[in-house]
Amino acid sequence: GESVGLHLPTLSVQEGDNSIINCAYSNSASDYFIWYKQESGKGPQFIIDIRSNMDKRQGQRVTVLLNKTVKHLSLQIAATQPGDSAVYFCAENIDSNSGYALNFGKGTSLLVTP
Amino acid sequence: EAQVTQNPRYLITVTGKKLTVTCSQNMNHEYMSWYRQDPGLGLRQIYYSMNVEVTDKGDVPEGYKVSRKEKRNFPLILESPSPNQTSLYFCASSPGVSMNTEAFFGQGTRLTVV
Repeated sequence: GESVGLHLPTLSVQEGDNSIINCAYSNSASDYFIWYKQESGKGPQFIIDIRSNMDKRQGQRVTVLLNKTVKHLSLQIAATQPGDSAVYFCAENIDSNSGYALNFGKGTSLLVTP
Repeated sequence: EAQVTQNPRYLITVTGKKLTVTCSQNMNHEYMSWYRQDPGLGLRQIYYSMNVEVTDKGDVPEGYKVSRKEKRNFPLILESPSPNQTSLYFCASSPGVSMNTEAFFGQGTRLTVV
């Protein structure tokens, strides 16, 4: 079946640098994508989303880019802080007649070093 | 405070002893779902519910049951737990069914079956 995947399982960046986390998806029917952040011992938390009719969306210090041509999604975090250390998941929304499902990638661990 | 509450947070049980993990949301959301999270496999959907009395299988439903008698509650039932159901479980809710909306996650339940 089709799946969402991540290019890098771990990413280490220095505090203050920008971080880029990548995600590849293969389901061309996906119309909505979400990035979640999961801190140790907690459930996933919504960061930012993007619909398939957009190619860029910005939030506070975060930007999501969507390239539908190559089915690629990325999360950019500006001026990375120690509090950004977490596992980041991309998820695709597969809408169907029976409801919708979030298909999650396996996650990328971001470690911010001082 | 808007939240999804799971109980218990931690549970150790023996093979074959029936257990229930409760999930409750106070946001009047229609859609609720259960995920399990395993190392290297990410989040996989077990069951979901589009509304009261409407439930359906996700990607990994074997060995689990759910019920949705009320809008706010969506318990996960393991009739005869086995060691391969040792995992971290998350309940999630969201406002819509066929809508592109974020899911709100509970804090997780770490289950160990010995």
